[in-house]
Amino acid sequence: AQKITQTQPGMFVQEKEAVTLDCTYDTSDQSYGLFWYKQPSSGEMIFLIYQGSYDEQNATEGRYSLNFQKARKSANLVISASQLGDSAMYFCALHERSTSYGKLTFGQGTILTVHP
Amino acid sequence: GAVVSQHPSWVICKSGTSVKIECRSLDFQATTMFWYRQFPKQSLMLMATSNEGSKATYEQGVEKDKFLINHASLTLSTLTVTSAHPEDSSFYICSASGNFGGGELFFGEGSRLTVL
Repeated sequence: AQKITQTQPGMFVQEKEAVTLDCTYDTSDQSYGLFWYKQPSSGEMIFLIYQGSYDEQNATEGRYSLNFQKARKSANLVISASQLGDSAMYFCALHERSTSYGKLTFGQGTILTVHP
Repeated sequence: GAVVSQHPSWVICKSGTSVKIECRSLDFQATTMFWYRQFPKQSLMLMATSNEGSKATYEQGVEKDKFLINHASLTLSTLTVTSAHPEDSSFYICSASGNFGGGELFFGEGSRLTVL
């Protein structure tokens, strides 16, 4: 089974609206972390938000929030008030504590396009 | 904040030659670094885990004799693509882990390799 799955190859959103990017994961580890990264066309990986498996609150970072549903094994990224600069590829990634510190497994990615 | 720097950002080489890519942690000691490969519009695939002072751990299917990894110091890991072929053309990106306690990992800017 895929450890991390992003089912939306592409998403479109109107500027200033909110958008949700889906991510589901599969792990037998009790302790794990979920990351979201933004990758613009330049290629750099920009860290957005992190959620630990034992965190009781959903993570938030400015316009980014993570809708963490542990029982469903989902960790969807919500971007509020979309901006044109949000257009990029977005990756969800899983870190399992049983693996090397910092080793990530990435989802397939979602290309987000923000329309004016 | 912590910064990871990769060099070169772009490299073009002839088929059959070797290319070295450097990954440096600029303001922290990275006991572990990770090398990923990314084809256009695809996900990041982990190639190997680079451990300071010991041999790298390669993922299944990655040829260790072709992709030589050296982590000689706590701030530098190098990836050498030996006898490069056009199919090795890709985006190579590293990440670094130091005293990772949950939260962001640090990625280099990536290196785009084109083999003619």
